[in-house]
Parts: sequence; C-alpha cells; structure tokens
Amino acid sequence: EAGVTQFPSHSVIEKGQTVTLRCDPISGHDNLYWYRRVMGKEIKFLLHFVKESKQDESGMPNNRFLAERTGGTYSTLKVQPAELEDSGVYFCASSPPYLGEDTEAFFGQGTRLTVV
Amino acid sequence: QKEVEQNSGPLSVPEGAIASLNCTYSDRGSQSFFWYRQYSGKSPELIMFIYSNGDKEDGRFTAQLNKASQYVSLLIRDSQPSDSATYLCASEGASKIIFGSGTRLSIRP
Repeated sequence: EAGVTQFPSHSVIEKGQTVTLRCDPISGHDNLYWYRRVMGKEIKFLLHFVKESKQDESGMPNNRFLAERTGGTYSTLKVQPAELEDSGVYFCASSPPYLGEDTEAFFGQGTRLTVV
Repeated sequence: QKEVEQNSGPLSVPEGAIASLNCTYSDRGSQSFFWYRQYSGKSPELIMFIYSNGDKEDGRFTAQLNKASQYVSLLIRDSQPSDSATYLCASEGASKIIFGSGTRLSIRP
C-alpha cells in the first residue's frame, strides 16, 4: 500500500516567488493534516482537512498561505509570495476517519522549503 | 502555555541504560497520546500510542499515562545508539494531533 507522498522533496525559491507543495494521502483517509517544522523549533500544526472541507485552519500563519484539497483527495499548499521565514520542512499526514485507538496518522517524507 | 510541552534536551544516556522522556499536556479533553521518533532529515514515525491510564509495553518501549496529572512518558530500556533521535510527544484532541517540540535523545557508546 502506498504511503503518504509529498512533492517536491526539496524546493529552493527566491523571496517573493510562489511555491506550491503537494500531498497525496493514503487512499481512503478522510483526514489530512499539514504541519511545518522551522529549524530549531517544534512541529506546528497548520490545518486539518476532513475530506474536502477545512476542519481547522487555526495554524495557518497568514494569508500568504492557501491550502486546498480537491475532491477530498490530494491537497496543495501554496505560499505566495514566499518570505524568508517560510523556510522549513512541511509535513503532510493522513489518517482514517476516526483518530485514536488503533489508528495513527501517517506522515509523508516532507518537503524542505528554502526561501533565499 | 503550549498545549504539549517537552524538555528539548539534549538528553544523553549511556548505551544499555534506561532513557526516560517526559511530556505534559494542557487539554484535559485529550483522549489519545502518541510518541513519534524522528531521525534527522526524516519524517516522524509512530512508535507508541496510549489512551488508558497506566503503562503500555512494546518491546523495549514503555509508555506511561497519568491523566490526573496530565503527564505522559516514554521509557526506552537497554538503550541503543540507533535510538538516538528526536522524540515527539503528541496528543489527540478534536480529531487533530498536537505535537510537542520534541526531545533530542543521544545514546553514547
């Protein structure tokens, strides 16, 4: 069974440019999460989709970040325009409909974003 | 106050000893708790989850949960150099996972 896949694995862009990160969750996983780890800091929650709906986007840092989940399948996270402080590793995770006992969130390998 | 708190470390433990990692959480409504291990440059991987008060053992790992004290711990027995990694504590609340900042564990030969 394929795991959570993220693309690209690494992106280097200049300040002011636009970058779009993609996440393909495990098939059948209604829940999709985006997290970000800035170097030296904790993994921070960005947002949570349940199918195509944004369940919680309280962690989105500002309106330069836009997340979508087309048809409840893959998700994209666009940063426009990118700033230096957006550099970090962006993780996507997916989980079955009910998170808790006997379930877990599966993580993708992450996209390392470097803004120069 | 952070929702999930951990000591960032680094925690240095001699090979063969017991490594003890601790975590506190603020949301009393949290039902499930997770320990993820993250090697440098890799994504987090789940190693233990616990939802009932008490201890849960899996091989060399033991997770402990005390809901009254809002405290979760992970014990690693017979520590190996391959256990050197960052350990992330996470709680589940309102169907989303909230992570702590992670504790860096270093096992010295």
